[in-house]
Amino acid sequence: DAKTTQPNSMESNEEEPVHLPCNHSTISGTDYIHWYRQLPSQGPEYVIHGLTSNVNNRMASLAIAEDRKSSTLILHRATLRDAAVYYCILHFGGGGGADGLTFGKGTHLIIQP
Amino acid sequence: DTAVSQTPKYLVTQMGNDKSIKCEQNLGHDTMYWYKQDSKKFLKIMFSYNNKELIINETVPNRFSPKSPDKAHLNLHINSLELGDSAVYFCASSHRQGEETQYFGPGTRLLVL
Repeated sequence: DAKTTQPNSMESNEEEPVHLPCNHSTISGTDYIHWYRQLPSQGPEYVIHGLTSNVNNRMASLAIAEDRKSSTLILHRATLRDAAVYYCILHFGGGGGADGLTFGKGTHLIIQP
Repeated sequence: DTAVSQTPKYLVTQMGNDKSIKCEQNLGHDTMYWYKQDSKKFLKIMFSYNNKELIINETVPNRFSPKSPDKAHLNLHINSLELGDSAVYFCASSHRQGEETQYFGPGTRLLVL
């Protein structure tokens, strides 16, 4: 899987939007962009994923650059429960065999009340 | 109902012992995984099983052996435990390979003394 680059940490205030950036300049055409998060003392949790178009779900939005070399996870209204480590992961979507996810260091999101 | 469950939650044992960690998923998924999260919080794939067949096996010592009695279970057996095996072990599952979402268990915290 191609490499991603994320800031080590970010801080935001409760009830404000949060934009978490991710750079993936070596992304290939078949790589899907996945976001997972890990709350303290819990297993990773799926947040959202996309290929080319922007995506929305009940948890977040994913904005993908036109050249696909970067993406941004958007939490529209952060709560204290959103404090976690957020991982941006590229995952080969071509099928043909099961594959594990390659986790980087992620971004530690701190939410201030 | 818990989608992916692991037992035990905590495991403290002596060097040289043999131990097993159990994982069960009730999602009807075809693929299951084991990940290791070390003290520096890096998450790394260890194994994956697809329809009871080992698909990948990263550079993991052969002291670690996954065993899948059926599609819903993937247990991790560890022989001759070493201090460096201390970590949090996460089980995960996904419906199919490729771009499918992975669902993680709560983790098993292993401490080898």
